[in-house]
Amino acid sequence: GNSVTQMEGPVTLSEEAFLTINCTYTATGYPSLFWYVQYPGEGLQLLLKATKADDKGSNKGFEATYRKETTSFHLEKGSVQVSDSAVYFCALPYGSSNTGKLIFGQGTTLQVKP
Amino acid sequence: KAGVTQTPRYLIKTRGQQVTLSCSPISGHRSVSWYQQTPGQGLQFLFEYFSETQRNKGNFPGRFSGRQFSNSRSEMNVSTLELGDSALYLCASSITGGTSYEQYFGPGTRLTVT
Repeated sequence: GNSVTQMEGPVTLSEEAFLTINCTYTATGYPSLFWYVQYPGEGLQLLLKATKADDKGSNKGFEATYRKETTSFHLEKGSVQVSDSAVYFCALPYGSSNTGKLIFGQGTTLQVKP
Repeated sequence: KAGVTQTPRYLIKTRGQQVTLSCSPISGHRSVSWYQQTPGQGLQFLFEYFSETQRNKGNFPGRFSGRQFSNSRSEMNVSTLELGDSALYLCASSITGGTSYEQYFGPGTRLTVT
């Protein structure tokens, strides 16, 4: 099945700093790719997605581009806020069949200091 | 539209007991997946149900089981609880569970086994 590797955290940044969280994947074909965010004490929220190569997903100032050449889907934000402090997960479907099994990276904790 | 709801939110059980967790998906969603989240293992897929049938299963022992009802609501059951079953159990729903469709997560049930 497919797999995903995510940069380890924690990542500590000052407010308004630039954020990059690396995510690389191994997959059969070109599956959709996702970034989820988990705020303290909550479940996961879909942050953004990309469904095909060269697609750019964006939401709340976050962006990620589906790069098939480098098999990457790095998450970026130009200016982080304290409210962005959370755990971020890169994810993709386990296989190419039509099922709901997602494979998640290990998660990257982001802490933004004022 | 109401989101995914999970009940109960918190649960404390004793080793050897059994527990049932409930998940109500977003209206119109027919796929429900369950995940276990622990600090050591991260997010691990338990199983997926679609139209009352288990469509996919993760690598968990038979003590973990689930079912889905005709209204798409799902339950998971863990029998003979072990200390290692302490975790956040997340339910996610999707329209069909296909690889292009994102999953929407509930807030989770925090299970503590003592």
